[in-house]
Amino acid sequence: GESVGLHLPTLSVQEGDNSIINCAYSNSASDYFIWYKQESGKGPQFIIDIRSNMDKRQGQRVTVLLNKTVKHLSLQIAATQPGDSAVYFCAENRDSSNTGKLIFGQGTTLQVKP
Amino acid sequence: NAGVMQNPRHLVRRRGQEARLRCSPMKGHSHVYWYRQLPEEGLKFMVYLQKENIIDESGMPKERFSAEFPKEGPSILRIQQVVRGDSAAYFCASSPRSLDGETQYFGPGTRLLVL
Repeated sequence: GESVGLHLPTLSVQEGDNSIINCAYSNSASDYFIWYKQESGKGPQFIIDIRSNMDKRQGQRVTVLLNKTVKHLSLQIAATQPGDSAVYFCAENRDSSNTGKLIFGQGTTLQVKP
Repeated sequence: NAGVMQNPRHLVRRRGQEARLRCSPMKGHSHVYWYRQLPEEGLKFMVYLQKENIIDESGMPKERFSAEFPKEGPSILRIQQVVRGDSAAYFCASSPRSLDGETQYFGPGTRLLVL
């Protein structure tokens, strides 16, 4: 069936290293993807998004890569900091009726070691 | 510029009681989405509303759950006769438009605990 899922539940990195969080999706018709960061006890915080007509988009210290051939999405965080520790979700907009509802993956916990 | 507001932040109810969760969207946003998050899981879509209209309630349980977004005031998610399985975090998001690709901004959530 269709799903948005993450490859690894937990990622542990050293402070200052780069982090890569992966996400797989199965609906080739999906055309908009978003990464959210959720800290403990808080709501999801928008990080970066990408549309299917792009394969890369950069923000401040973050880069999202989209590989439509293998239906894979990744979030790269440069020079990871302790404040980056959180759960990261990819979300997919694949609503054929255009209501904009998001389909979330299960989440990857990023742990940053000092 | 205030973000999405939700209250209460924490709500405790006994089985059989009613729970009312409120969401005020960001200024200028007329589209509201409700999501539910169980522990250790991702968010699951429940309902999408515009002012005075329910647009998509495909994720809402058929019984006991209802939502509204009146012309004036916040959006309300109402759960009647709560059961322990309703314990979860409920998040509201708002966006200015409903077209695919319009970013949704989330509130801090209401954590419902049913005893």
